[in-house]
Amino acid sequence: DGGITQSPKYLFRKEGQNVTLSCEQNLNHDAMYWYRQDPGQGLRLIYYSQIVNDFQKGDIAEGYSVSREKKESFPLTVTSAQKNPTAFYLCASSIYGGLVTGELFFGEGSRLTVL
Amino acid sequence: GQQLNQSPQSMFIQEGEDVSMNCTSSSIFNTWLWYKQDPGEGPVLLIALYKAGELTSNGRLTAQFGITRKDSFLNISASIPSDVGIYFCAGPRMDSSYKLIFGSGTRLLVRP
Repeated sequence: DGGITQSPKYLFRKEGQNVTLSCEQNLNHDAMYWYRQDPGQGLRLIYYSQIVNDFQKGDIAEGYSVSREKKESFPLTVTSAQKNPTAFYLCASSIYGGLVTGELFFGEGSRLTVL
Repeated sequence: GQQLNQSPQSMFIQEGEDVSMNCTSSSIFNTWLWYKQDPGEGPVLLIALYKAGELTSNGRLTAQFGITRKDSFLNISASIPSDVGIYFCAGPRMDSSYKLIFGSGTRLLVRP
């Protein structure tokens, strides 16, 4: 079945360590996104990519980095520079970068906890 | 900047009751989207609205695009336990349709 796969589902990290969250999609979608979700808050955009080898900062990009070397993959690295990294991270994709239909398809999320 | 305000923040209702929630903004939106997030999962699109005044149904769910284009409503009829989750409204930002703005969500709990 087509979909978006995020891994790992749960991750624990010590302060000062970088960690990479994986996101793979087999929907043949052009655009991919990373969102952060904190309790009681809406989703906030970290990075997005409309096409391969191109990506743009979202609203809260500081302390994060991404790459888009393949259409199917959009990994997110949470660096030690991110001051408050404990959160639920959601990867999403859309058919077109312009969100013509408005539909984002989300993965199941990765919960990162910094000890 | 643009913001979406959802209310209520949470609801605890009896199974079988109808539910109504809304989303408002001080800015105009050309598209309104309603997503549902089950616990521990990613959000799933329920309904998309593209025209002011539009009323769209999806099973027991009905959503409306406000005439002023600054608000939207989602109603759930005859709630069941699997309706539990967080409901988000969202819309494309004016500065870029690539970016969605999400409301803070309405958490729905259903008492069997």
